[in-house]
Amino acid sequence: AQSVTQLGSHVSVSEGALVLLRCNYSSSVPPYLFWYVQYPNQGLQLLLKYTSAATLVKGINGFEAEFKKSETSFHLTKPSAHMSDAAEYFCAVSDTGNNRLAFGKGNQVVVIP
Amino acid sequence: GAVVSQHPSRVICKSGTSVKIECRSLDFQATTMFWYRQFPKQSLMLMATSNEGSKATYEQGVEKDKFLINHASLTLSTLTVTSAHPEDSSFYICSAPGTGPYEQYFGPGTRLTVT
Repeated sequence: AQSVTQLGSHVSVSEGALVLLRCNYSSSVPPYLFWYVQYPNQGLQLLLKYTSAATLVKGINGFEAEFKKSETSFHLTKPSAHMSDAAEYFCAVSDTGNNRLAFGKGNQVVVIP
Repeated sequence: GAVVSQHPSRVICKSGTSVKIECRSLDFQATTMFWYRQFPKQSLMLMATSNEGSKATYEQGVEKDKFLINHASLTLSTLTVTSAHPEDSSFYICSAPGTGPYEQYFGPGTRLTVT
């Protein structure tokens, strides 16, 4: 079965600094990978997705992620953190594109002024 | 983009009672919907797949008699937590696939508190 691993439940970043959230996946077939953001007491919003096209994926709000098969990774980055980036971020995988998603444990991002 | 709504957004119920949560796709039809639960500070765990016109498919370890799912129409799925207990307190989120490939839209969630 597919799974993703996100390390470090809480990530603190200074405003204007690089945001880096790590995600490693496990899948027996080529995966579809997603990053979602969740604001308090809200549902999930899709940031970006990898579906076997370009390995560098650009998403909303200045985020991007790079699929690296050799490292089984799909890390999320943003060059310059903004206060509005404070939220919970989840990496997810679907190995058949059937919309059944397996989520990582999430990263709570705190932006320090 | 497509919108999925949930009702209620928050509910408090007494132990032993049942509570129904609705998930609606507002501007598109969904033959399939997914129900997740999320404990505080934890990830989303898929509970079941709701199928319009047929029985729901439950994930391993999820009690189908406790979490009743009914997909009554192409825009509505309901989750009923029967005989609720405090350990059922959680954030319940539904989602529905969109029309495009790999699209999935999430509802805003329902916070259930069982006292």
